[in-house]
Amino acid sequence: GAVVSQHPSRVICKSGTSVKIECRSLDFQATTMFWYRQFPKQSLMLMATSNEGSKATYEQGVEKDKFLINHASLTLSTLTVTSAHPEDSSFYICSAPEGVDTQYFGPGTRLTVL
Amino acid sequence: QKEVEQDPGPLSVPEGAIVSLNCTYSNSAFQYFMWYRQYSRKGPELLMYTYSSGNKEDGRFTAQVDKSSKYISLFIRDSQPSDSATYLCAMSASGGYQKVTFGTGTKLQVIP
Repeated sequence: GAVVSQHPSRVICKSGTSVKIECRSLDFQATTMFWYRQFPKQSLMLMATSNEGSKATYEQGVEKDKFLINHASLTLSTLTVTSAHPEDSSFYICSAPEGVDTQYFGPGTRLTVL
Repeated sequence: QKEVEQDPGPLSVPEGAIVSLNCTYSNSAFQYFMWYRQYSRKGPELLMYTYSSGNKEDGRFTAQVDKSSKYISLFIRDSQPSDSATYLCAMSASGGYQKVTFGTGTKLQVIP
């Protein structure tokens, strides 16, 4: 199957700082990528859809000014958590469709905000 | 009511058993159905996907979709300790380029 990578795999930061997470499609081009968040013992919740060359589409309740998404190329999307707070601590996972049928997920980034 | 319902488990079975995992859903627009396996602190790994109703088999895994009942299943034959993970059902109306809705996941433990 398709390969999606994320970097970093884990990040710890102080409250008030910003954190950037990268999502790359390694062997295919992705005009669309998705960003999910997963809290402990909960399922994945879609945060936003990242579109190459245009603005991201955010799900209801997700602050677009806090979670900045940039889809700069056909293989890279970035999620920046601005002014992070402890409640932003979570597991952030990106995915990309390869073909029309389904999505392939990255390994995830665990964010801890102190 | 959630769009997708999945028993969170945990489900414990002895090695070699047949495992049955299930989800129900309420949105009749769902056409694409997927099962993902997620190990602790890892991203979900796609196991199988099916379009519309029917069965699909891949090795020890069989996925079934019954759209009339809004019910999907994943069967694992000859379960192994390495199958111990959380299994997430997922579905979408329009395939990979559209929003995917996940179940909460069922935690499976296969005991040697």
